[in-house]
Amino acid sequence: ILNVEQSPQSLHVQEGDSTNFTCSFPSSNFYALHWYRWETAKSPEALFVMTLNGDEKKKGRISATLNTKEGYSYLYIKGSQPEDSATYLCASPSEGTYKYIFGTGTRLKVLA
Amino acid sequence: DGGITQSPKYLFRKEGQNVTLSCEQNLNHDAMYWYRQDPGQGLRLIYYSQIVNDFQKGDIAEGYSVSREKKESFPLTVTSAQKNPTAFYLCASKLQGTSGANVLTFGAGSRLTVL
Repeated sequence: ILNVEQSPQSLHVQEGDSTNFTCSFPSSNFYALHWYRWETAKSPEALFVMTLNGDEKKKGRISATLNTKEGYSYLYIKGSQPEDSATYLCASPSEGTYKYIFGTGTRLKVLA
Repeated sequence: DGGITQSPKYLFRKEGQNVTLSCEQNLNHDAMYWYRQDPGQGLRLIYYSQIVNDFQKGDIAEGYSVSREKKESFPLTVTSAQKNPTAFYLCASKLQGTSGANVLTFGAGSRLTVL
């Protein structure tokens, strides 16, 4: 079974702080790495899809990097806001590109 | 608007009963998935289907069954053989593709409680 791991499990930051968290995945047979944001009482929504080593993606104050050789991706949030509070999930496909395996998520709480 | 509809949102079941969770999508996506979430755990894959009339077991398929008779529909049956069925169930879909670049679109989930 493909093992996708995320750390930390949960995180509390003050409004305005910048933060980052990690997703680790096996570096062999890499296809893609997805980041999703899951707000309470809503459906998970895709943030980024990353496929190439060295990829950097940005959406507003949120950005992500990818290192496929060492098997990790970082998600950064600059100037955290209360609306950033959510669980951030990463996922990577195994056995081709259909069987998506998720990490346990990082639960972020931004305190006003 | 296109999307994924899961029903029911909440479901209570007595022990020993089978229940079926509905998942319908109008996105014309080829692949569909069922995940389970338990407190403190990530999403675990139950079953997935790449095309109509075909599906594969995920990592925790025991006690569950699915069908894929139509492209739009991927119902999940939680059978009495599932030892701990109380959980939150998420359905997802995505376009077929080999690059891994197509993202998953999720439904709003169904919460099953066994009394």
